[in-house]
Amino acid sequence: IAGITQAPTSQILAAGRRMTLRCTQDMRHNAMYWYRQDLGLGLRLIHYSNTAGTTGKGEVPDGYSVSRANTDDFPLTLASAVPSQTSVYFCASSDQGGSTDTQYFGPGTRLTVL
Amino acid sequence: GQNIDQPTEMTATEGAIVQINCTYQTSGFNGLFWYQQHAGEAPTFLSYNVLDGLEEKGRFSSFLSRSKGYSYLLLKELQMKDSASYLCAVSDSNYQLIWGAGTKLIIKP
Repeated sequence: IAGITQAPTSQILAAGRRMTLRCTQDMRHNAMYWYRQDLGLGLRLIHYSNTAGTTGKGEVPDGYSVSRANTDDFPLTLASAVPSQTSVYFCASSDQGGSTDTQYFGPGTRLTVL
Repeated sequence: GQNIDQPTEMTATEGAIVQINCTYQTSGFNGLFWYQQHAGEAPTFLSYNVLDGLEEKGRFSSFLSRSKGYSYLLLKELQMKDSASYLCAVSDSNYQLIWGAGTKLIIKP
């Protein structure tokens, strides 16, 4: 089934630990995105990639890094997790970046940092 | 700054009609999206408006007024499965989506 997968589904992490959230899409979309969703707030863009080999910073990039080595994968890394990074993380993709193409979302990763 | 406002929560009765409003102030405008998000699930696309007026798609319709910075999502013949959060998002001048916090819609029998 075509779509976006994320792993892990949920994770409890000690503060200071390094963590990579995985995202893979099989729709051959050029653009991919990482958002965080917190109660009472809208989705906030962390990082994005308009095409393989390029990445850009979103609204809340501090403490996070990404890479886009190929079209399908877009991992998000927390170098040294802090409790304020407790959130639900969604990966999304769209056919083209820098456009109004519809974004399709993965199922999310629920991360708790203690 | 950029701002999207939606009511936090609304309640409606099965079979009725409900209108969810969204007002926005953004740096540039390249269209407005509505997404549906069931609890614990991913957002899914409902509609996109870039021109003024009403777009109808089955039981769901979306309206846009660019001069007023205003949109609404109209849901008709409400069903229990429509209980969800409805997210309004605006594509800004950089084609990045600015999201509202969402409106939680509760449907009662």
